[in-house]
Amino acid sequence: DQQVKQNSPSLSVQEGRISILNCDYTNSMFDYFLWYKKYPAEGPTFLISISSIKDKNEDGRFTVFLNKSAKHLSLHIVPSQPGDSAVYFCAASRSGGFQKLVFGTGTRLLVSP
Amino acid sequence: DAGVIQSPRHEVTEMGQEVTLRCKPISGHDYLFWYRQTMMRGLELLIYFNNNVPIDDSGMPEDRFSAKMPNASFSTLKIQPSEPRDSAVYFCASSHTGASNQPQHFGDGTRLSIL
Repeated sequence: DQQVKQNSPSLSVQEGRISILNCDYTNSMFDYFLWYKKYPAEGPTFLISISSIKDKNEDGRFTVFLNKSAKHLSLHIVPSQPGDSAVYFCAASRSGGFQKLVFGTGTRLLVSP
Repeated sequence: DAGVIQSPRHEVTEMGQEVTLRCKPISGHDYLFWYRQTMMRGLELLIYFNNNVPIDDSGMPEDRFSAKMPNASFSTLKIQPSEPRDSAVYFCASSHTGASNQPQHFGDGTRLSIL
């Protein structure tokens, strides 16, 4: 049972436009969410996170939005750059001490010049 | 600073052989994680250690899989005997406190192919 779902395996966007990557979760106990970025032949690297006490967190070109009632979060990249081409993983966790990260299957983003 | 180091980067072996994957976590990190990445299931947590002690191995798929952490700077994931369905990319990650707001740092993975 996939508790964190990324239903779009891939997304293509032109340079300079907005990229929107989506993620849904089923476990209402999750209250901390992260996005990781992965280039080929490398490990995932942390990108941005959000706690359930917020509905938005911004870091430069990257913004994560959280809709708790819909159990949905999205990552916006504006403007998109070719270097953003990578696989993006959504992950969810419960806060408080150590809690496992549950990852989605990833979305491959291709930003073309 | 050196990140998480995994070896080998690639492993191709025949079904039935023993496979050993190695990981050196970031110095000072108390938590170590082993993940497996597949297209169908994404990144799955197999097992994690806290201060060299295995805490939760509920993600280990079968008894053929075992993991050890003999000291704070080294861990192994062993598959014996290996099967073609074990083919995947295996990642090791470490974190300082294990808290969800402390990002995990991943190695570059071992791509395992079982023929």
